[in-house]
Amino acid sequence: EAGVTQSPTHLIKTRGQQATLRCSPISGHTSVYWYQQALGLGLQFLLWYDEGEERNRGNFPPRFSGRQFPNYSSELNVNALELEDSALYLCASSLGQGAHGYTFGSGTRLTVV
Amino acid sequence: AQSVTQLGSHVSVSEGALVLLRCNYSSSVPPYLFWYVQYPNQGLQLLLKYTSAATLVKGINGFEAEFKKSETSFHLTKPSAHMSDAAEYFCAVSEGAGGTSYGKLTFGQGTILTVHP
Repeated sequence: EAGVTQSPTHLIKTRGQQATLRCSPISGHTSVYWYQQALGLGLQFLLWYDEGEERNRGNFPPRFSGRQFPNYSSELNVNALELEDSALYLCASSLGQGAHGYTFGSGTRLTVV
Repeated sequence: AQSVTQLGSHVSVSEGALVLLRCNYSSSVPPYLFWYVQYPNQGLQLLLKYTSAATLVKGINGFEAEFKKSETSFHLTKPSAHMSDAAEYFCAVSEGAGGTSYGKLTFGQGTILTVHP
């Protein structure tokens, strides 16, 4: 069974540009979660999508947005990139709402220069 | 609000020694608790989870954790450390009232485990 897949693995963008990160959940998982792991800031919850709807949002500005497609894959968009957006962005998926655990992908390393 | 505290950002043990990584949580409702491991430049791998069943939870790679409600703790242990256990370990909590997790895992700051030969 394929795990959670994220693309691209690495992404380098210039300050002010937009970045798009993609995530495919485990087959059968309807919930997708996004987390930011920035150096010195730990793992911070960004967004939760379930059945195509945004269900919960972390304490991030509106330039962080995303969506979930009918096949349950998801995109995270970061507009007007700032240097401090440089981080590892992790996607996770779950069956239902997480009682069985969350399976994480390997992440996208975003570097803003 | 829920929170997680991992005591000790770095833990160093000798190969074959006991591993003990400490985690304390706060939650207003019975929580779901997780331990994840992260190897360099990789994502998070689930070691084990507590979801209100048995308080002693066994996970992969010989790890186990005990949920102690009175102490609000969920410490991770392994009887004998192996060189391959060297990694960063994260404790996480998700409020699990009525089977609803609200989609949000709150993580501790992580503990880097070093294993010496």
